[in-house]
Amino acid sequence: QKEVEQDPGPLSVPEGAIVSLNCTYSNSAFQYFMWYRQYSRKGPELLMYTYSSGNKEDGRFTAQVDKSSKYISLFIRDSQPSDSATYLCAMSLPTSGSRLTFGEGTQLTVNP
Amino acid sequence: NAGVTQTPKFRILKIGQSMTLQCAQDMNHNYMYWYRQDPGMGLKLIYYSVGAGITDKGEVPNGYNVSRSTTEDFPLRLELAAPSQTSVYFCASSLGQGFSYEQYFGPGTRLTVT
Repeated sequence: QKEVEQDPGPLSVPEGAIVSLNCTYSNSAFQYFMWYRQYSRKGPELLMYTYSSGNKEDGRFTAQVDKSSKYISLFIRDSQPSDSATYLCAMSLPTSGSRLTFGEGTQLTVNP
Repeated sequence: NAGVTQTPKFRILKIGQSMTLQCAQDMNHNYMYWYRQDPGMGLKLIYYSVGAGITDKGEVPNGYNVSRSTTEDFPLRLELAAPSQTSVYFCASSLGQGFSYEQYFGPGTRLTVT
């Protein structure tokens, strides 16, 4: 069983839609949860970061962590064509410091 | 700042050849990483370094070697290339302990082994 599971998609939505991206994980010791965005033929870039459980909002983006269900989500409101990218969830243990475990990534296309 | 730079951008290798993928960062980051990304497989950590002279294995280190003689540079060496090493390779860096969640990635090197 993979430590981090993410539906690879692809996911195609119309402009203005609310997008929900999700990951599940098996290691209850994970404490740091990240979402990276990767445009085609580019390196990933950090989009949002959450420590432990709870919600975090940044503009049109909201990250949620439910540690009891081992489930994290990224919501994109009023999606734009410029949001078309692959979204990778990542997580790490409190002690490992430098090592991130990534999901497979979900490919999102927002159609104008 | 240039951030994280990688060379070359593309490379085709024959089976059994060797090569070095170059990575440099100008952000004075202590931590550096090498990942490979295969279609539908996410990012897999190959090697990482927490400072000059210190390296450690990640999930998939077989067939690769690294060195870290300076803070800025972290080259990845492929010995005896195999088709299974066909992938996109990303180098990344982060400030250090407590900030490793924010990793800055280079543009990648697309490697084909035939």
